[in-house]
Amino acid sequence: DAGVIQSPRHEVTEMGQEVTLRCKPISGHNSLFWYRQTMMRGLELLIYFNNNVPIDDSGMPEDRFSAKMPNASFSTLKIQPSEPRDSAVYFCASSFRNYEQYFGPGTRLTVT
Amino acid sequence: QQQVKQSPQSLIVQKGGIPIINCAYENTAFDYFPWYQQFPGKGPALLIAIRPDVSEKKEGRFTISFNKSAKQFSLHIMDSQPGDSATYFCAASRYTGTASKLTFGTGTRLQVTL
Repeated sequence: DAGVIQSPRHEVTEMGQEVTLRCKPISGHNSLFWYRQTMMRGLELLIYFNNNVPIDDSGMPEDRFSAKMPNASFSTLKIQPSEPRDSAVYFCASSFRNYEQYFGPGTRLTVT
Repeated sequence: QQQVKQSPQSLIVQKGGIPIINCAYENTAFDYFPWYQQFPGKGPALLIAIRPDVSEKKEGRFTISFNKSAKQFSLHIMDSQPGDSATYFCAASRYTGTASKLTFGTGTRLQVTL
């Protein structure tokens, strides 16, 4: 039984480039969450979707960040243009009609 | 605004000891309190969770104690093992009608020595 799948696992890019992170939630789950983890700020919720609809994007840091969920099995988090302060580990998590969230392995993003 | 305060930041115990990690919350609307365990290079994994209508929950060597009036909860790890060395996060959640938003503590790095 596959868990949450994220790709790529590691991404190194130069400042100003566009970055796209991908997530496949657990099959049957109807809520999807994007988090960012840094030493300074810990785990922060960026945005979450319910039934593919964005519900709360109040955690998205600025307009350079955008997220989409075109269908129940795929979501993307895009940063354009990327900046060094965006360097972090980005996690995707999913859940089904309850409180238990299952996290993916994360994407470690480094912006130079 | 930090809504969930976690302490200590780091903890070292000997094998067999009982590490205790504490969390305090502010928002009385929170109705679910999970603990997550994270190993280096991995995503957080749900360890154990409690709802505010009970004061204690045990699962194996892990116990949550909950004090609703004090708005505090804690994680106890019985007979700790080197394999328990990880970062532990408490969290608090409230159901919004569509999903449950988690607010995390800042994490406790636990090291269990031989």
